[in-house]
Amino acid sequence: AAGVIQSPRHLIKEKRETATLKCYPIPRHDTVYWYQQGPGQDPQFLISFYEKMQSDKGSIPDRFSAQQFSDYHSELNMSSLELGDSALYFCASSVRTGAEAFFGQGTRLTVV
Amino acid sequence: GQNIDQPTEMTATEGAIVQINCTYQTSGFNGLFWYQQHAGEAPTFLSYNVLDGLEEKGRFSSFLSRSKGYSYLLLKELQMKDSASYLCAVRVYGNNRLAFGKGNQVVVIP
Repeated sequence: AAGVIQSPRHLIKEKRETATLKCYPIPRHDTVYWYQQGPGQDPQFLISFYEKMQSDKGSIPDRFSAQQFSDYHSELNMSSLELGDSALYFCASSVRTGAEAFFGQGTRLTVV
Repeated sequence: GQNIDQPTEMTATEGAIVQINCTYQTSGFNGLFWYQQHAGEAPTFLSYNVLDGLEEKGRFSSFLSRSKGYSYLLLKELQMKDSASYLCAVRVYGNNRLAFGKGNQVVVIP
């Protein structure tokens, strides 16, 4: 069965650089979520999209932005990277009225 | 917002039963989810409760009491591969975001 695809799997950036993370949801899923998980921490909700419109916003820094495109894939853009942005970034998708969200394998971002 | 509390780590023997608890405080409760997460990997969906009572799925069962703001996940016939972090997450009406607790690390030993 198709799963949520994230790319890249690993990314190393320097401070003040920018990064773009991509997420391809499960086919026919119309909702995409982004989560950030620091070492030893729980996943923190960043932002979600439903039918290409932002549907909910969590603790996403102003330096980050995201969008969902016409093919339902989503991108998380991160600028002026800081050391504290080093984390696992997960994308999840669901059917709007579905019970569970399915997570991708994540992108491990390391800022040096 | 949601306050979700989980204990942090427990060790159990292969073949045993372990119970992981989760308490939460939220308004507009719309479901509680349990996820399993191996280190460095994606959370994997285990179970979902929205009504009071017990949901059983093979070796895993989850219980919910909405009046007490309490849930537990029961892992039976523990296997080595069950060594992982177990996260509970709450969903509220009005959005579909999942608010996660800090997770409970289960270590299974022979």
